[in-house]
Amino acid sequence: QKEVEQNSGPLSVPEGAIASLNCTYSDRVSQSFFWYRQYSGKSPELIMSIYSNGDKEDGRFTAQLNKASQYVSLLIRDSQPSDSATYLCAVNDPGNTPLVFGKGTRLSVIA
Amino acid sequence: DVKVTQSSRYLVKRTGEKVFLECVQDMDHENMFWYRQDPGLGLRLIYFSYDVKMKEKGDIPEGYSVSREKKERFSLILESASTNQTSMYLCASSTGGSYNEQFFGPGTRLTVL
Repeated sequence: QKEVEQNSGPLSVPEGAIASLNCTYSDRVSQSFFWYRQYSGKSPELIMSIYSNGDKEDGRFTAQLNKASQYVSLLIRDSQPSDSATYLCAVNDPGNTPLVFGKGTRLSVIA
Repeated sequence: DVKVTQSSRYLVKRTGEKVFLECVQDMDHENMFWYRQDPGLGLRLIYFSYDVKMKEKGDIPEGYSVSREKKERFSLILESASTNQTSMYLCASSTGGSYNEQFFGPGTRLTVL
């Protein structure tokens, strides 16, 4: 059974701080990794994709991938109250198979 | 931008009714998915489809069926709705292949009374 693990939170950070969200996955052959943001009552929105080891930056967001440790993280710099949401990590194996989702980490940014 | 639309945002049905949830995507994606999402249980995959007229069972297919007659449209059917099918239903489509970015529709919050 392929698994994606996330701390459910809530993770509370003050406004302006760096929020660090972590995700581990069980399947060594996983090759594509995604972060989704989901506001309460809304659907998940894709915010970051990462496919190779290292960092990928997009605005205030940085995704980090370490395949050897089977670990992917999302850093949010200068956190804003509007970043308060649940963040879902998703992992894809080679081939055309459905994504495996974690249950999400709830982030709360305190003004 | 990728657009995935769902026929209703909110739906209230009675136990035993047949329920149709429609999903349409406009990006020519091969793959389409139906999930339900419940508090504490995360996203659970009901059915998915890799091509027209093809369907695959996900993790929780019991009580559901699907139809994909056209590439852009994927329908979820509850043959006889029950109260335990009250949930948020999410449709998604994806590019497939190595990158396989997946995009979600706005969701349908279904209440079965």
